Amino acid sequence: DVQMTQSPSSLSASVGDRVTITCRASQTISIYLHWYQHIPGQAPRLLMSSTSSLQSGVPARFSGSGSGTDFTLTISSLQPEDLGTYYCQQSYSVPFTFGPGTKVDI
Amino acid sequence: QLQLQESGPGQLKPSETLSLTCSVSGGSISNSNYNWDWIRQPPGKGLECIGTIYYLGTTLYTPSLHSRVAMSVDTSKNQFSLRLNSVTAADTAVYFCARRRRQVGYFDYWGQGALVTVSS
Repeated sequence: DVQMTQSPSSLSASVGDRVTITCRASQTISIYLHWYQHIPGQAPRLLMSSTSSLQSGVPARFSGSGSGTDFTLTISSLQPEDLGTYYCQQSYSVPFTFGPGTKVDI
Repeated sequence: QLQLQESGPGQLKPSETLSLTCSVSGGSISNSNYNWDWIRQPPGKGLECIGTIYYLGTTLYTPSLHSRVAMSVDTSKNQFSLRLNSVTAADTAVYFCARRRRQVGYFDYWGQGALVTVSS
């Protein structure tokens, strides 16, 4: 299985801060890397697909980059509604696997 | 707007069978562009893919659960289901159903999740 790691595991930032979350795969996954936001009690929300494709309705302050094994999700100006846990997920090989998550506190 | 909703018992005893159903509304489960998946999250742990099903009934299960899992689909009811037998405390988790885009593999719609607790 492809192992996914994320850093940091948690962070606390202020409104307006630039936040970067890193995701690393144990082997190359091309650009088959997707990002989700999860607020407890709610359905997880797809933010970014295929590394850098912003999903409809997701604010432009979110951006993604990377390829191969190293990927980043950046929030250019953190907003109060951006709290939650962020997960990366690879779909390069079965079984699809997720990173352990990065908890973002405002 | 597509919506998914998990339903099923929230409490089980060890060795029993977990049965969950995901009801899909606002779209057809027979859409050929998508698979339908179950994903779980044990308390304090990460997300784990359990398996996937296509509307024609083709399934693929994660190897670690393969011997205990069965998924089915009912296109007439726009639902798909999960069965996990011989449960133990390690199967305690929030179970999510989700729609997965074929070829690319991202999950674009999820249910809110159903907590299933296994305890004697």
